[in-house]
Amino acid sequence: DQQVKQNSPSLSVQEGRISILNCDYTNSMFDYFLWYKKYPAEGPTFLISISSIKDKNEDGRFTVFLNKSAKHLSLHIVPSQPGDSAVYFCAASDNTNAGKSTFGDGTTLTVKP
Amino acid sequence: DAGVTQSPTHLIKTRGQQVTLRCSPKSGHDTVSWYQQALGQGPQFIFQYYEEEERQRGNFPDRFSGHQFPNYSSELNVNALLLGDSALYLCASSFKVLATNEKLFFGSGTQLSVL
Repeated sequence: DQQVKQNSPSLSVQEGRISILNCDYTNSMFDYFLWYKKYPAEGPTFLISISSIKDKNEDGRFTVFLNKSAKHLSLHIVPSQPGDSAVYFCAASDNTNAGKSTFGDGTTLTVKP
Repeated sequence: DAGVTQSPTHLIKTRGQQVTLRCSPKSGHDTVSWYQQALGQGPQFIFQYYEEEERQRGNFPDRFSGHQFPNYSSELNVNALLLGDSALYLCASSFKVLATNEKLFFGSGTQLSVL
């Protein structure tokens, strides 16, 4: 049973436009959500996070939205740049399992110049 | 400031063999987690070490074991290798295991191929 799902394996957008990556979760105990970006031959790097007490967190071009009732979060990248092309992973954790992150399978974002 | 370092970067083994992967956490970090990433999937949590003890464990068999040393570095051991163990093994470090909002710092991983 996959508790964190990223239903779009890939996404292609034009440079300058908005990229929206989606993530759904099933475990209502999750209270912290993170997005990681991964380039080939590198480990994932932290991008942005959000606590369950918030519904939005913004950091420069990146904004994460959380809809707890729908158990859904999304990552918005505006404007998208070719350097944003990477695999994006959504991850979640909860207080009862401190330190264990559950990851989705990732979405490959391609930003075309 | 050195990040998370893993060795080796690539490894080829045959079925039934044993393997040891190594990880040095980011400077200042005291917690090490290991993840397995199969092709086309996201990282799956194997276990986490803090204060030289296994604190959390994912759904992996006992063939997967680990160790953390006093300098916070860690090893992942896999016995009786199966073809299905072929994957990218990622080490991640963080500070304070009890904090759920600790972002993970990942190494570049060890690509294990079992033939």
